[in-house]
Amino acid sequence: NAGVTQTPKFRVLKTGQSMTLLCAQDMNHEYMYWYRQDPGMGLRLIHYSVGEGTTAKGEVPDGYNVSRLKKQNFLLGLESAAPSQTSVYFCASATQGDSTDTQYFGPGTRLTVL
Amino acid sequence: AQSVAQPEDQVNVAEGNPLTVKCTYSVSGNPYLFWYVQYPNRGLQFLLNYITGDNLVKGSYGFEAEFNKSQTSFHLKKPSALVSDSALYFCAVRDRDTGGFKTIFGAGTRLFVKA
Repeated sequence: NAGVTQTPKFRVLKTGQSMTLLCAQDMNHEYMYWYRQDPGMGLRLIHYSVGEGTTAKGEVPDGYNVSRLKKQNFLLGLESAAPSQTSVYFCASATQGDSTDTQYFGPGTRLTVL
Repeated sequence: AQSVAQPEDQVNVAEGNPLTVKCTYSVSGNPYLFWYVQYPNRGLQFLLNYITGDNLVKGSYGFEAEFNKSQTSFHLKKPSALVSDSALYFCAVRDRDTGGFKTIFGAGTRLFVKA
């Protein structure tokens, strides 16, 4: 099992450009999440999904959109990138009904917006 | 609203000494509590969690944590630190009654273990 994978690993954008980050998991998990990690602020939830075809807003959703067309994939889109979106982005997944309620994280995408 | 506080940005400890990384939380319902560890340029890895039952929870790599409901704390401990324990540690909480599927993470505590 590859677990949770993220594409790309690194990206540099100019202000106003768009991009999509891809998260894929092969554990048949229902729940998927997108977080951003900034120094001194821990992880903040951007959007999440509780199943195929569903999405919901987290703490910091502005400037981002998501889609979950297939159970194994969760896409995060930036329509018009801003320097404030420079961050490390982590995807995570979790299984429904797992008593440990553990999230499994991808390796992260480091995004710089100039 | 849910919140997590990790009062120390950094904890320094000598190898072989016991370590404690502190965490306090606030939820309106009953909590699920977690500790995750992050090594450089890696994603977070699950260490341990408290769901219900015994207040002392044992996890990976010799770590343990004690749930204290009256103090709303979930401190991470290890009896004898290793240099390889040096990493960034995150406490997290989910309100199982009202928080839905959202897990809130603390800001993280960087642990340095000196040889």
